[in-house]
Amino acid sequence: DADVTQTPRNRITKTGKRIMLECSQTKGHDRMYWYRQDPGLGLRLIYYSFDVKDINKGEISDGYSVSRQAQAKFSLSLESAIPNQTALYFCATSTPRGAGETQYFGPGTRLLVL
Amino acid sequence: GENVGLHLPTLSVQEGDNSIINCAYSNSASDYFIWYKQESGKGPQFIIDIRSNMDKRQGQRVTVLLNKTVKHLSLQIAATQPGDSAVYFCAEITDSSYKLIFGSGTRLLVRP
Repeated sequence: DADVTQTPRNRITKTGKRIMLECSQTKGHDRMYWYRQDPGLGLRLIYYSFDVKDINKGEISDGYSVSRQAQAKFSLSLESAIPNQTALYFCATSTPRGAGETQYFGPGTRLLVL
Repeated sequence: GENVGLHLPTLSVQEGDNSIINCAYSNSASDYFIWYKQESGKGPQFIIDIRSNMDKRQGQRVTVLLNKTVKHLSLQIAATQPGDSAVYFCAEITDSSYKLIFGSGTRLLVRP
């Protein structure tokens, strides 16, 4: 979905390195999310934000941090990458409840930690 | 991506047949459910949703059925086409948590 973009699309890094994944959206949504996807496990929520002053932990926040720089931008950082953080990472946005909770996903970032 | 779908249950159907993909959800308090389609190399795409006060909702070629008694959700695709080949995820959300919880997914393969 071109309305939600992620950079980079692919990244290879080494254990112990700090990396940042970025997400931008032009949908004007207040709510943004970061998920990771592992084979056979579906998507799991890492962090979510309901506005620029709001940050919340999801199911699997350990080892990750986020920054909501603006309504349209939500970045995910791995402070010290480890191999089991190798996964697909997706950013998503949604409108507030009551206006439809559908989440719209970006194209994903494939991360490999060596 | 190409790793999505490893170890997932797979449904293989003939082109033109109807497909039924099933999902068991976990939380009896969930009040909103969504089906997503994920093609290789892409993020999940919204297909159809349903609220807990409904038991059926129809879209274009797709129908979602909800059975709250047994916590079961299904997605029916009519006249399945090759472009329907993908991994399908159900997701649930609870009003109090605002968190969307995804199921593990089912891979749909359409035979020509």
